[in-house]
Amino acid sequence: QVQLQESGPGLVKPSQTLSLTCTVSGGSISSGGFYWSWIRQHPGKGLEWIGYIYYSGSTYYNPSLKSRVTMSVDTSKNQFSLSLSSVTAADTAVYYCARDHYNNGWYGLDYWGQGTLVTVSS
Amino acid sequence: EMVLTQSPATLSLSPGERATLSCRASQTVRSYLAWYQHKPGQAPRLLIYDASNRATGIPARFSGSGSATDFTLTISSLEPEDFAVYYCQQRDNWPITFGQGTRLEIK
Repeated sequence: QVQLQESGPGLVKPSQTLSLTCTVSGGSISSGGFYWSWIRQHPGKGLEWIGYIYYSGSTYYNPSLKSRVTMSVDTSKNQFSLSLSSVTAADTAVYYCARDHYNNGWYGLDYWGQGTLVTVSS
Repeated sequence: EMVLTQSPATLSLSPGERATLSCRASQTVRSYLAWYQHKPGQAPRLLIYDASNRATGIPARFSGSGSATDFTLTISSLEPEDFAVYYCQQRDNWPITFGQGTRLEIK
């Protein structure tokens, strides 16, 4: 059974960089056909897709965040990461990592982490 | 950006009743439309992908239908554990977007 787990600081100061890691277990991050994604949910709001990374390192980011987002992958640790720079209070949210299954067709975001709350405050 | 509009915002029903949730897209979606169930403090759960295919382990009372710009999630007979927020999502146009959600509450 594939499992994803987010980790990282729960509190980040304004203007600093938010950094989160997602550790994948029960499957290899290097398997083709999966796009490793980040999604966030602002308090009381809906879901916002941040972007994804393929095991090869190819990325696609939401244009609304593209100037501040960087994603990376470490296949040796079976992890992928999110960096969001110059954060403000508007970046306070629960951040989820998820597996986007796209292989000869799309099968949805089929596995998710439990989510981690990141608060931006001084 | 493709906008997904879900209706109603809140749906109040009793266990055993039928729930019909709508998702309308601002542009045509070929079939890359999914539905998720989200409960507080939990990870979202994939219910339906490609508009009408149930994900692994999802009970048969959940069904998806629709095409082009109009999609529907139907729960044939509500169980107590079905009361949650439901989101639709498209992967057909970039960026990937979600609807704003429908809250299904116990009447």
